Amino acid sequence: LAKTTQPISMDSYEGQEVNITCSHNNIATNDYITWYQQFPSQGPRFIIQGYKTKVTNEVASLFIPADRKSSTLSLPRVSLSDTAVYYCLVGETGGYNKLIFGAGTRLAVHP
Amino acid sequence: NAGVTQTPKFQVLKTGQSMTLQCAQDMNHNSMYWYRQDPGMGLRLIYYSASEGTTDKGEVPNGYNVSRLNKREFSLRLESAAPSQTSVYFCASSADRGQYFGPGTRLTVL
Repeated sequence: LAKTTQPISMDSYEGQEVNITCSHNNIATNDYITWYQQFPSQGPRFIIQGYKTKVTNEVASLFIPADRKSSTLSLPRVSLSDTAVYYCLVGETGGYNKLIFGAGTRLAVHP
Repeated sequence: NAGVTQTPKFQVLKTGQSMTLQCAQDMNHNSMYWYRQDPGMGLRLIYYSASEGTTDKGEVPNGYNVSRLNKREFSLRLESAAPSQTSVYFCASSADRGQYFGPGTRLTVL
């Protein structure tokens, strides 16, 4: 399982775009990159998943360069409710995916 | 759909007591997982079940046992609770994309 490295914490202000970068130098050919969001006292929630290039959904975008050794989660126009811990995970998918959670990035959005 | 449900939400045990944490999912997922999360840390995988009838150890299995009762249910048992097992326990299930987590069980062992 590929190890990931991401910043421990970030600060932002309401309305700004936030980019959280994750490095995964040992990513394998079959690995996907998945991001989760966790609020206090709740379980993690799936945000977005991708394999290469760019993926966009209603809440975020995920940018993956050609070498796939890093990825960037982009949150457009954050609000106070986006204050949470964000986890970057790398692993195989397709019905069974044993994932290793790191400490995540603690994002604080300020008024 | 209720998604992933866990019972109980809170539990206090004395050292040496036993208990079973229950988890059920109604999404027809094959794979299920148990994690623990200590304060300020990420989740650590205790056990997982890739499909009904199979279970395997994760990163921190010592002190725990699991049972995949059927496709819907995956229970975690603490045979002799220890203070080091004080944590929040999350159950999850997965299909093709991502894992879906339950609300967690907050366990305190005195």
